[in-house]
Amino acid sequence: GAVVSQHPSRVICKSGTSVKIECRSLDFQATTMFWYRQFPKQSLMLMATSNEGSKATYEQGVEKDKFLINHASLTLSTLTVTSAHPEDSSFYICSAMGLDVLDTQYFGPGTRLTVL
Amino acid sequence: QKEVEQDPGPLSVPEGAIVSLNCTYSNSAFQYFMWYRQYSRKGPELLMYTYSSGNKEDGRFTAQVDKSSKYISLFIRDSQPSDSATYLCAMSASGGYNKLIFGAGTRLAVHP
Repeated sequence: GAVVSQHPSRVICKSGTSVKIECRSLDFQATTMFWYRQFPKQSLMLMATSNEGSKATYEQGVEKDKFLINHASLTLSTLTVTSAHPEDSSFYICSAMGLDVLDTQYFGPGTRLTVL
Repeated sequence: QKEVEQDPGPLSVPEGAIVSLNCTYSNSAFQYFMWYRQYSRKGPELLMYTYSSGNKEDGRFTAQVDKSSKYISLFIRDSQPSDSATYLCAMSASGGYNKLIFGAGTRLAVHP
């Protein structure tokens, strides 16, 4: 149990375009979802926390107008990188917490974004 | 000083060895302690979850928490090449609804 999926697993886009990444909890209801960014050989950097039906809470230094987060249902959160630039290229990972699972975060497999 | 300190390694051991991975922390409010395993280009996978002090065993893995020393450990017995991954410790003050604070991760390589 406690499976989280992400789609797509890999995306390449041109500079200036927007990219949407989906995060789904497959077998539990995710009351809270988190979005992280990870650079090569580094640990995870929390970008934002979202609760279902509420606006996301962004970490200091993360541009909320650039990284749009929507948590419209108990099983789906989306991260949209708007007007992407090469420096946005990174590994994006979501995690979810919810009902009837351990009181911790379960991670998705990650999405590798490359902006040309 | 970081809230959570973890030696990034890399740590290289022969197959069958006992591996010891450690983290120290400074925030005495931390109550929940986790170990995640992350393979290259994959998301972290929860390995062990511990509340407060004590030991927890699951197969070849044992997690220890010593709150008095602010020190946690993960032991891997009979290590296998498939254990080669990055191991991240993580902790929080009151369950995962609070922000998880991660260590830097230790890269482990188990060679045949």
